[in-house]
Amino acid sequence: EVQVVESGGGLVKPGGSIRLSCAASGFPFNKAWMSWVRQAPGKGLEWVGRIKSNSDGGTTEYAGFVKGRFTISRDDSMNTLYLQMNSLKNEDTAVYFCSPSGSYYAYWGQGTLVTVSS
Amino acid sequence: DIVMTQSPDSLAVSLGERATINCKSSQNILYRSNNKNYLAWYQQKPGQPPKLLISWASDRESGVPDRFSGSGSGTDFTLTISSLQAEDVAVYYCHQHYTTPQAFGQGTKVEVK
Repeated sequence: EVQVVESGGGLVKPGGSIRLSCAASGFPFNKAWMSWVRQAPGKGLEWVGRIKSNSDGGTTEYAGFVKGRFTISRDDSMNTLYLQMNSLKNEDTAVYFCSPSGSYYAYWGQGTLVTVSS
Repeated sequence: DIVMTQSPDSLAVSLGERATINCKSSQNILYRSNNKNYLAWYQQKPGQPPKLLISWASDRESGVPDRFSGSGSGTDFTLTISSLQAEDVAVYYCHQHYTTPQAFGQGTKVEVK
């Protein structure tokens, strides 16, 4: 069974940093393109970015609002995806979801909430 | 960047009646080499992650009731619920994965009239 579990969310001050993790199981993680999608409270879905499999180059792509503040990485030995978020703003407050796909998203975790507030 | 615009933002439909949600892409998302529209539809209920309903504009996912159908091509797409059930109350999103940055529509809230 495909499963992804996000963790690492919490309260962080504006300008601060936080690293989210996504533990994956039930599929060949090292072959999967992985993505992050977020949802601000009461708002719609917003694509954050994705990382290709290392065999496809391991490159990353991001939404425009990221502007060099976020970094997606992966550890295939741990079947884990990461989202390092720096220079956080109030508007980054959201539930962050990961998904094992670089295209449409058939599988979702429950997400992890990041709250940016002073 | 491609912008996805859904209409309406919300709609109220009587149980058993048809619900129609439209999604318009600012650019073509039909890849001519494989004749696939890179468009998906999701359903999201409160407190839950989204659920994939339709991929490639019209391919219903396994286990999704056949009252849900997707249509359209190029820039204009439609999600139809042929006979609304109480459990279909949710927010529905379209999503283009033709190119990055990927984009979702703003969502359409479906309620029972």
